[in-house]
Order: sequence, then C-alpha cells, then structure tokens
Amino acid sequence: KQEVTQIPAALSVPEGENLVLNCSFTDSAIYNLQWFRQDPGKGLTSLLLIQSSQREQTSGRLNASLDKSSGRSTLYIAASQPGDSATYLCATSHNTDKLIFGTGTRLQVFP
Amino acid sequence: DTGVSQDPRHKITKRGQNVTFRCDPISEHNRLYWYRQTLGQGPEFLTYFQNEAQLEKSRLLSDRFSAERPKGSFSTLEIQRTEQGDSAMYLCASSFSGDHEQFFGPGTRLTVL
Repeated sequence: KQEVTQIPAALSVPEGENLVLNCSFTDSAIYNLQWFRQDPGKGLTSLLLIQSSQREQTSGRLNASLDKSSGRSTLYIAASQPGDSATYLCATSHNTDKLIFGTGTRLQVFP
Repeated sequence: DTGVSQDPRHKITKRGQNVTFRCDPISEHNRLYWYRQTLGQGPEFLTYFQNEAQLEKSRLLSDRFSAERPKGSFSTLEIQRTEQGDSAMYLCASSFSGDHEQFFGPGTRLTVL
C-alpha cells in the first residue's frame, strides 16, 4: 500500500528565501506525481505534474523533481513571497489514476 | 470560468439527515473523482467514474454513501443517515483519459451537528 510522507509538516520563512519541500513515497511504481497548493478552506490548485518518465518540471518560480528509484520528489520555490503562503500537497497516482496524498507542508512566508 | 464547480459550498445538517452534493467537471473531461478531506489531513480517495461507469470505490465509501454520474457529465454524491464522523470537505476532481492531471473544484464543506 502506497504511503506518502511530506517533510517538514510546517515551515515559516522570511520573504525572498529559496526553499525546498520534500515528498517521499514507499511504492516506486507510480504513473505520475502531482504537486498542489491549498489555501485555507479552499480546494486544490494543481501546480506541477511529473510523469514517471520525467525527472523534473518547471513553472515560473516553481521546480519539481522526481527520483522514482529513491521514492522522492522535491518542490523548489525560488524567491518566496507572502502570497506563496499555503499548504502544499504532493500526490502519487498508479494505474487506476486515483491520487494518494501526503498530509502536506504548511508554508508561511512573512514580509 | 470553465473549471470544476461544486454545489453547495457549505452544508450544515443534523445527524441522521440525508445530504446530496453536486459536481460539474470540466466539460471535455470524461473522468470524475470524489475525495474526502478532514482537518489537517490530505484528501482521501472515495470513488471515480469514467463517463457514466463507476470504476472504483474505496472501502471508505460505506453503504450510506452513493455516487452517480448518470449521463457522463455532472455527478452527485449522496450521504444517507449522516453521522458526525462524516463532517469533512468533499472534493471533486476531473481529468482527461490519457492525460492524468486532475483538476479540483472548490469543495463542499459538510458539518454534521
């Protein structure tokens, strides 16, 4: 059974810092891995999708990497801003496409 | 806006009542998913449809829960005889076949008193 873990559970940084969020998973036979952002009380916003054959994806200040063999993904946020404050969730999918989520990293970026 | 929509956004009900939620996916998506999220946790998969066929159900989906997608477009999730443990955010997502990025709606927050 796939288990997805995110470290750290919470992170507080000053504006402008570069930061890394970590996601690990126990079953490397994934189809893809998706990173989401969730604001309090809201739905999920898809940030990046990495197919199992890919090593990384980039969108603006965000870069996500995937190492299937070690069961890890990282989300790199460059030059963090207060508007980046949210919970970040990673999720893996397998043949059936259902997503298995971690418990998230709650990020606060202060001015 | 052509994203995933859910209705209602909030529902407060008394224990024992039935509730029904609706999800309208992105129009060209043929896959539709339901998830449940409790406070401080990641979403948990409940069930998913490809067109009108319900292809998988989680064991989290007890007999009190039923989901339909009658014409392969919108979907409903019904909870009968609600319990306080059903209080959660219910999230709907949709995707293309063959393109597995899932897009989520704003969720329906259910509070059972």
